[in-house]
Amino acid sequence: AQSVTQLDSQVPVFEEAPVELRCNYSSSVSVYLFWYVQYPNQGLQLLLKYLSGSTLVKGINGFEAEFNKSQTSFHLRKPSVHISDTAEYFCAVSGSGFQKLVFGTGTRLLVSP
Amino acid sequence: DARVTQTPRDKVTEMGQEVTMRCQPILGHNTVFWYRQTMMQGLELLAYFRNRAPLDDSGMPKDRFSAEMPDATLATLKIQPSEPRDSAVYFCASGGRGGYNEQFFGPGTRLTVL
Repeated sequence: AQSVTQLDSQVPVFEEAPVELRCNYSSSVSVYLFWYVQYPNQGLQLLLKYLSGSTLVKGINGFEAEFNKSQTSFHLRKPSVHISDTAEYFCAVSGSGFQKLVFGTGTRLLVSP
Repeated sequence: DARVTQTPRDKVTEMGQEVTMRCQPILGHNTVFWYRQTMMQGLELLAYFRNRAPLDDSGMPKDRFSAEMPDATLATLKIQPSEPRDSAVYFCASGGRGGYNEQFFGPGTRLTVL
């Protein structure tokens, strides 16, 4: 079985500053990893995904994440955030084959001027 | 632009009433998921279907909730009778036949049970 831990429930940051949202997972098998973003009053939208290959994954809106197998982490980063990045961010994991996703509890990113 | 659609977007009802939420998955997707999101519990998987057959509904209160896929273009989630604790946002998501597990989410149905 897989599980996901998002260590920070809320991350406040100033506009144009860098940000890292942390995600750790546990699994006994090979995994697929995802980051989703949820803007207020909307559904979840895929930011990026790691399936295999390069451990540095680039997504939409300037976000990227790095898969670290030895540390079982998949942290999300952005070098310079905008006010519009204010949202809830969810990390998720699944096993190979089309299986259900296991979501973390989410991290609320609050970007202020 | 293929999207998952959900109706209604908002529903206010009184305790004891039946509630039906509908989801139209993306055409060609063969897996459908129902989630519930609340402030207290976060995002919970209620049930999911593959090729219209229920694969896992262990997250769903069996006594009052039911989920079905009458056909490949429609998934329904029913609550009967509804209770105030069912107030939440219910999301439907669909996934394709590919070798990975990306899910596409609908906009959600915000349910308020008074």
